[in-house]
Amino acid sequence: DVKVTQSSRYLVKRTGEKVFLECVQDMDHENMFWYRQDPGLGLRLIYFSYDVKMKEKGDIPEGYSVSREKKERFSLILESASTNQTSMYLCASSSPGPLRPQHFGDGTRLSIL
Amino acid sequence: DQQVKQNSPSLSVQEGRISILNCDYTNSMFDYFLWYKKYPAEGPTFLISISSIKDKNEDGRFTVFLNKSAKHLSLHIVPSQPGDSAVYFCAASPFNNDMRFGAGTRLTVKP
Repeated sequence: DVKVTQSSRYLVKRTGEKVFLECVQDMDHENMFWYRQDPGLGLRLIYFSYDVKMKEKGDIPEGYSVSREKKERFSLILESASTNQTSMYLCASSSPGPLRPQHFGDGTRLSIL
Repeated sequence: DQQVKQNSPSLSVQEGRISILNCDYTNSMFDYFLWYKKYPAEGPTFLISISSIKDKNEDGRFTVFLNKSAKHLSLHIVPSQPGDSAVYFCAASPFNNDMRFGAGTRLTVKP
């Protein structure tokens, strides 16, 4: 069965901290994605990657960066956490090509105090 | 500006009846459309998809209809079951795989 694992279900950090969210997939997928989910806004794409060491900005990349050193791992980095980054973060992976569904992890609920 | 819109935040139907969830999009470059279902404390799971060369795709109780000229799609669930209660997200993408999602519709199916 396909598996996308996010390192933490819940995380509490302080304003100004550097925060790392980790995501690992075991499906040998080329594509990986980071979203944040907020009430009334749905899932918004932060960054995505089509291959190792490649990254593309999504719709809301400001305040975030990513790292993809290995195919199975995609990390989201909050350079200096702010309270408006309190959210549910979802990682996903997929094979390349259209209509290839994305497989999601269970999410990390991040609170910035 | 949201490119994929689900204007109904919630929908309540009786068990056995039809559920119709709607979705509109603004980007004419979108050619591929997917529906996802999300239960609390879990990530979204893929439900059904359709490409722009078709106007209907069916999978068991789930049917997706696409009206490309109106930039509108809908998901029909017949008959609705209590286990279908979840948040449903509409998603759209161009030729590659970076999807844009709507805000979601919370479906409640009452026994």
